[in-house]
Amino acid sequence: GQNIDQPTEMTATEGAIVQINCTYQTSGFNGLFWYQQHAGEAPTFLSYNVLDGLEEKGRFSSFLSRSKGYSYLLLKELQMKDSASYLCAVREKDSNYQLIWGAGTKLIIKP
Amino acid sequence: ETGVTQTPRHLVMGMTNKKSLKCEQHLGHNAMYWYKQSAKKPLELMFVYSLEERVENNSVPSRFSPECPNSSHLFLHLHTLQPEDSALYLCASSQGRDSIYGYTFGSGTRLTVV
Repeated sequence: GQNIDQPTEMTATEGAIVQINCTYQTSGFNGLFWYQQHAGEAPTFLSYNVLDGLEEKGRFSSFLSRSKGYSYLLLKELQMKDSASYLCAVREKDSNYQLIWGAGTKLIIKP
Repeated sequence: ETGVTQTPRHLVMGMTNKKSLKCEQHLGHNAMYWYKQSAKKPLELMFVYSLEERVENNSVPSRFSPECPNSSHLFLHLHTLQPEDSALYLCASSQGRDSIYGYTFGSGTRLTVV
């Protein structure tokens, strides 16, 4: 069945690096998305992976392994403004291209 | 400004009230979505409209009634809601259902049912 798992909460220090993991079980994989959502605001698109490997975009990188059903979001040089929830979502062809969402990881950055 | 605007931002309503949530997108997208977001739960897809036609209704109770008069506007009409319907309601849009850019979300309407 459909299942997306990610940690509920993580804490990291300003200037450090943090890796947020996401594991999934879906049918008809058609890509994986990461979104950032600050409290009370809209989720905003961060990255899209459909092939295995690492996609780098500034301080943020996203990795995908389709055979392992695994992705991670890597945040470098953490800033206080990175405190937010990070949502992992997988698109399924077999579900009419619906996005299946994880519950999100709340990231707390400490000085 | 995210390109997707939702109003109102906050709404408190009684269980016997009727209200509507509005969503407007200025991105030229052809698909629009309603999601429900509850604390510590995954986003729940409620309705999908593609080219103004409803293509998904994920077993949503009839007290929620969507309307899509054109490709830029989406409404969610609410009546006789229950306290468990209190949540953040998010509207989103996309260009096609398989876009590599995913969805653009509005900031949501925080709904409280009393």
